[in-house]
Amino acid sequence: SQELEQSPQSLIVQEGKNLTINCTSSKTLYGLYWYKQKYGEGLIFLMMLQKGGEEKSHEKITAKLDEKKQQSSLHITASQPSHAGIYLCGAFLSGNTPLVFGKGTRLSVIA
Amino acid sequence: NAGVMQNPRHLVRRRGQEARLRCSPMKGHSHVYWYRQLPEEGLKFMVYLQKENIIDESGMPKERFSAEFPKEGPSILRIQQVVRGDSAAYFCASSVSRPSNTGELFFGEGSRLTVL
Repeated sequence: SQELEQSPQSLIVQEGKNLTINCTSSKTLYGLYWYKQKYGEGLIFLMMLQKGGEEKSHEKITAKLDEKKQQSSLHITASQPSHAGIYLCGAFLSGNTPLVFGKGTRLSVIA
Repeated sequence: NAGVMQNPRHLVRRRGQEARLRCSPMKGHSHVYWYRQLPEEGLKFMVYLQKENIIDESGMPKERFSAEFPKEGPSILRIQQVVRGDSAAYFCASSVSRPSNTGELFFGEGSRLTVL
């Protein structure tokens, strides 16, 4: 089974709308990373969260790690076509395991 | 400061040939990770290396795949006797320290292997 579940799998929003992507684990998350990937390209680092309750923002993107450290959400405000792509969450599920990833959420922003 | 550099960006091989993928980490980074991404799949961890050492290879197939990170030069992921199922994007990432110790993890643009 997938260790990190992302929802939704895909999302189509109208330009200017807000949206939220979730990343859920059945285990405690030790370090949660959000990346963006455009088709055929590499991963762009967005944010890293470590502490329960932590929240970080970059431009119109905000990410939170819940208090119990088992879920993270990525929120985009006033979406733009430049936000389109695949959003991937990655996490350490213990101190000694490698970074694992969800399957990604494919975001399309239409005018 | 250049990012993580991977080459080649695209590689085409026939079944049975060898594929060599290279990764130069960011300057000052001594931890390298290789991931594989299949179409419509997420990133799957393959191997974690530090200079001259394999730290974790739990994601590497037992046969045909090997990785190294020599004292000098890039990290290399080597796939011998490639099969069609090896067609994928292979990503390399690097970090200053083990990322779980607050280090950020940066990825390269990937190497896309196509096996005919």
